[in-house]
Amino acid sequence: AQSVTQLGSHVSVSEGALVLLRCNHSSSVPPYLFWYVQYPNQGLQLLLKYTTGATLVKGINGFEAEFKKSETSFHLTKPSAHMSDAAEYFCAVSGSNFGNEKLTFGTGTRLTIIP
Amino acid sequence: DGGITQSPKYLFRKEGQNVTLSCEQNLNHDAMYWYRQDPGQGLRLIYYSQIVNDFQKGDIAEGYSVSREKKESFPLTVTSAQKNPTAFYLCASTGYTGNTIYFGEGSWLTVV
Repeated sequence: AQSVTQLGSHVSVSEGALVLLRCNHSSSVPPYLFWYVQYPNQGLQLLLKYTTGATLVKGINGFEAEFKKSETSFHLTKPSAHMSDAAEYFCAVSGSNFGNEKLTFGTGTRLTIIP
Repeated sequence: DGGITQSPKYLFRKEGQNVTLSCEQNLNHDAMYWYRQDPGQGLRLIYYSQIVNDFQKGDIAEGYSVSREKKESFPLTVTSAQKNPTAFYLCASTGYTGNTIYFGEGSWLTVV
């Protein structure tokens, strides 16, 4: 069974500072990893995903994440936080690259940006 | 524009009533999902369907039912057997050509 652990349910950073949201996974097969963002009262939007190939993945809104196999991590980073980044972020894992494989989500990290 | 439409956005239910949440997609996706979201608990899978006329229970299926009579539609019924139905419900879909799951805007269900 696969699982995802997000460290820190709430993270606060100052505007312009580095954003680091942590995610670790456990998967019995090569994982496919995702980060989603959710704004209040809305659905989830895909930020980026890792399937195969390059372990550093760039996504939308200046976010990126690096898959580190030895650490089973897939942390999300952004060099400089913007007020519009305030949202909830979910890490997710799938055991397949095919579209019908269900995702397992972490419990989410709420990001607050301090002006 | 292609996407997933959930309705209604807000729904109030009296105890003992069944309610149905609608989910329609025009993305030509084969697989559809229902997730429940509670504060601090992330998303939990209720039911999913990989093809028309077939569906499987997720992690928290008790008190819920679904149908998949058409590729575009995957309605979720919250029955009176669901003891704590107040939550935010998200419908999602994905196709075989890639594993990105697309989400609808969600529906808030409140029991009054």
